Amino acid sequence: EAQVTQNPRYLITVTGKKLTVTCSQNMNHEYMSWYRQDPGLGLRQIYYSMNVEVTDKGDVPEGYKVSRKEKRNFPLILESPSPNQTSLYFCASSLLGATGEKLFFGSGTQLSVL
Amino acid sequence: AQTVTQSQPEMSVQEAETVTLSCTYDTSESDYYLFWYKQPPSRQMILVIRQEAYKQQNATENRFSVNFQKAAKSFSLKISDSQLGDAAMYFCAYVVPGANSKLTFGKGITLSVRP
Repeated sequence: EAQVTQNPRYLITVTGKKLTVTCSQNMNHEYMSWYRQDPGLGLRQIYYSMNVEVTDKGDVPEGYKVSRKEKRNFPLILESPSPNQTSLYFCASSLLGATGEKLFFGSGTQLSVL
Repeated sequence: AQTVTQSQPEMSVQEAETVTLSCTYDTSESDYYLFWYKQPPSRQMILVIRQEAYKQQNATENRFSVNFQKAAKSFSLKISDSQLGDAAMYFCAYVVPGANSKLTFGKGITLSVRP
């Protein structure tokens, strides 16, 4: 089944403790992206990747890192999480970029930073 | 800056009735795509419908249709014969094909369906 898999679905952590949210897709998609969803703000792009070893900042990249060493994986790294990073996070992918074709979303990771 | 505006935070509809969710956007581009995504309580993002800006014909997917007014930069979603399973948050989104290919989302609207 074609899917984007995110883990974990829920995560509670404390300020400053490094964490990684994993994202993997099995569709051989070149484009992958991370969004965060906050009440009243919709979804905002954090980082995106057009291909292996190619990543770039989105609208709200501060406090986040990503890597794209393999085509299928695109982890989101919070080196020193802070409470303002409490949010619902989505990974997404598509074949050649969100050029109008369907963007496949993972099922989300609810992160709480205490 | 490209923006997507969903001015109604909440709406309610009676089961079997029709409801329209509004969305406006701001862009100077001529080539772009518009989407409506549904987010039920499961949090999954589900593509409802897609519209290509260069097509004048409004997109339709079963009970879902759009009213695309390019000159007015308006993209509303009509849900006919509303069902309880339509209750969700709905996001309007927009993308310009290009290097970033970033989807720009509206703030969303919560739709409730009354039995």
